[in-house]
Amino acid sequence: NAGVMQNPRHLVRRRGQEARLRCSPMKGHSHVYWYRQLPEEGLKFMVYLQKENIIDESGMPKERFSAEFPKEGPSILRIQQVVRGDSAAYFCASSPPQGQGYEQYFGPGTRLTVT
Amino acid sequence: GENVEQHPSTLSVQEGDSAVIKCTYSDSASNYFPWYKQELGKGPQLIIDIRSNVGEKKDQRIAVTLNKTAKHFSLHITETQPEDSAVYFCAASINYQLIWGAGTKLIIKP
Repeated sequence: NAGVMQNPRHLVRRRGQEARLRCSPMKGHSHVYWYRQLPEEGLKFMVYLQKENIIDESGMPKERFSAEFPKEGPSILRIQQVVRGDSAAYFCASSPPQGQGYEQYFGPGTRLTVT
Repeated sequence: GENVEQHPSTLSVQEGDSAVIKCTYSDSASNYFPWYKQELGKGPQLIIDIRSNVGEKKDQRIAVTLNKTAKHFSLHITETQPEDSAVYFCAASINYQLIWGAGTKLIIKP
């Protein structure tokens, strides 16, 4: 049973370029979350999506950042016109469609470096 | 909003001894408290969780306790082993949004 998959694992972009991060949830999971982690800090919530719906994007900057989870295919976190401050590890998590609580299972992350 | 504080930031214990990491939360409505282990270069791994209707939960060498009145919860690792070395994070949530502590770096000394 494959876990949450993310690609690429490492991404280097120059300032002003676009970064696209992909996340495939665990089989049977229909909820996806994106988090950002700076070195030696905890994770910060960015956005919560279900298939074709953004449920909560309160943690995501309004400018340059967008996320989607289409009916088919992986969830995408897109960062336009990247700046040095976007350098961080971005983690995706998924959870089952129902049930009490929201056990979230994380992927290995994408480490974005902006030069 | 919810705020989670975690202590200590670094914990060094002798192999075979126990380790305890403590977290406090601010929002009494929080009802789900997971603990994650993160190894270098990897994603967080869910190791144990507890819900607000339970005071304690145990899974082999790992246990979590929750004191709702005091709004704190703790992770206990017994008989520590070298592979327990990692950064441990606590989190609290009311629904889906996990609010994370800052992490504890656990070092197991041989």
